[in-house]
Amino acid sequence: EVQLVESGGGLVQPGGSLRLSCAASGFTFSSYEMNWVRQAPGKGLEWVSYIHSGGSTIYYADSVMGRFTVSRDNAKNSLYLQMNSLRAEDTAVYYCARELFGDYGRSFDYWGQGTLVTVSS
Amino acid sequence: QSVLTQPPSVSAAPGQKVTISCSGSSSNIGNDYVSWYQQLPGTAPKLLIYDNNKRPSGIPDRFSGSKSGTSATLGITGLQTGDEADYYCGTWDSNLSAVVFGGGTKLTVL
Repeated sequence: EVQLVESGGGLVQPGGSLRLSCAASGFTFSSYEMNWVRQAPGKGLEWVSYIHSGGSTIYYADSVMGRFTVSRDNAKNSLYLQMNSLRAEDTAVYYCARELFGDYGRSFDYWGQGTLVTVSS
Repeated sequence: QSVLTQPPSVSAAPGQKVTISCSGSSSNIGNDYVSWYQQLPGTAPKLLIYDNNKRPSGIPDRFSGSKSGTSATLGITGLQTGDEADYYCGTWDSNLSAVVFGGGTKLTVL
């Protein structure tokens, strides 16, 4: 069974840092492209970042460029999101999401349960 | 302001059909494949449609997708109360080098 389990969320002050983790199981993690998607309270989905299966290609949303860093450790079946210089508008539930293998577009077929990040003083 | 435009809400009676539109531009919908997601209250999104009109295993054929030019549509037939959820479209935007989502549509089954 495919599972994605996020952790590392919590309350942090503006300007602070947080590192999110996503533990993957039930599939060959090293073969899949992965993404982070967030959802502010009561709002819609916002894509945050993408990382290729081997880590060779990375993309970020403009809203987090230069502040967030995505990485992965295929030996540990884990995806990470290092978040620095956090702002109130970064408050959201953060989901890790697996890209569907073999499709033509960018579709996310499995999502974690999400971890809540709250940026507030 | 989302890159892709969806109606904020739609409603229909049980057993009826509803469609949800998703409007974009030549740099996103017009240039790539569209996905649709269902998000039930308090849960993570679930993939309903990928590559414009394909259904993942386990998704009933009551759900369908189509695309024409720079717009896409999600159709749901035989509406059930359990279909009440938020629905999102998504695709890749080549100008932004980013995945973009619609603002979401809340479906109410009256």
